[in-house]
Amino acid sequence: ELKVEQNPLFLSMQEGKNYTIYCNYSTTSDRLYWYRQDPGKSLESLFVLLSNGAVKQEGRLMASLDTKARLSTLHITAAVHDLSATYFCAVDFWRDDKIIFGKGTRLHILP
Amino acid sequence: DGGITQSPKYLFRKEGQNVTLSCEQNLNHDAMYWYRQDPGQGLRLIYYSQIVNDFQKGDIAEGYSVSREKKESFPLTVTSAQKNPTAFYLCASSIGSRGNQPQHFGDGTRLSIL
Repeated sequence: ELKVEQNPLFLSMQEGKNYTIYCNYSTTSDRLYWYRQDPGKSLESLFVLLSNGAVKQEGRLMASLDTKARLSTLHITAAVHDLSATYFCAVDFWRDDKIIFGKGTRLHILP
Repeated sequence: DGGITQSPKYLFRKEGQNVTLSCEQNLNHDAMYWYRQDPGQGLRLIYYSQIVNDFQKGDIAEGYSVSREKKESFPLTVTSAQKNPTAFYLCASSIGSRGNQPQHFGDGTRLSIL
């Protein structure tokens, strides 16, 4: 069965702290996407990870992909309130012709 | 600017009624998708289309129908057979169904039952 699991599903953290969101998936893939969604809004693409060991950074966010462990991480450095949103990972199980989204991690950053 | 336009933003359905959600893109993308999002849930695929005049069922296609008569347009009809239609519906497109580019999403349509 194709599965994508994110954890935690909800995260409340203080400004200035660091934290990591995890995205585990069930079978082999080397294509993974991270999106951000603000309440009531659409999804915005953050990162595209296309190979084992891929690392992408944009501002206070850094994403990585370990295809052997079937794990991607989204690391937040020195969080600021503007990063409050829901973050989704999506895995392209291209051998099965399916893209599966995780349930999302709702991030709430306290001032 | 290129993008995806969904309309309407809010839609109300009466019992027994079919309603159609519009999705138009001017990105010249071949692939288009419809997702349903319920509170606290991820996105679930309803239908997708890789090329004009062709589409495939996703994981939750029952009670929905689509058409792809033009490359730019991929309307979704929520039929009366869909007994629990209240959700946020997102349309997306991508260059190809298996490219190395992320999907681009519209702003969504929120559907409720009257």
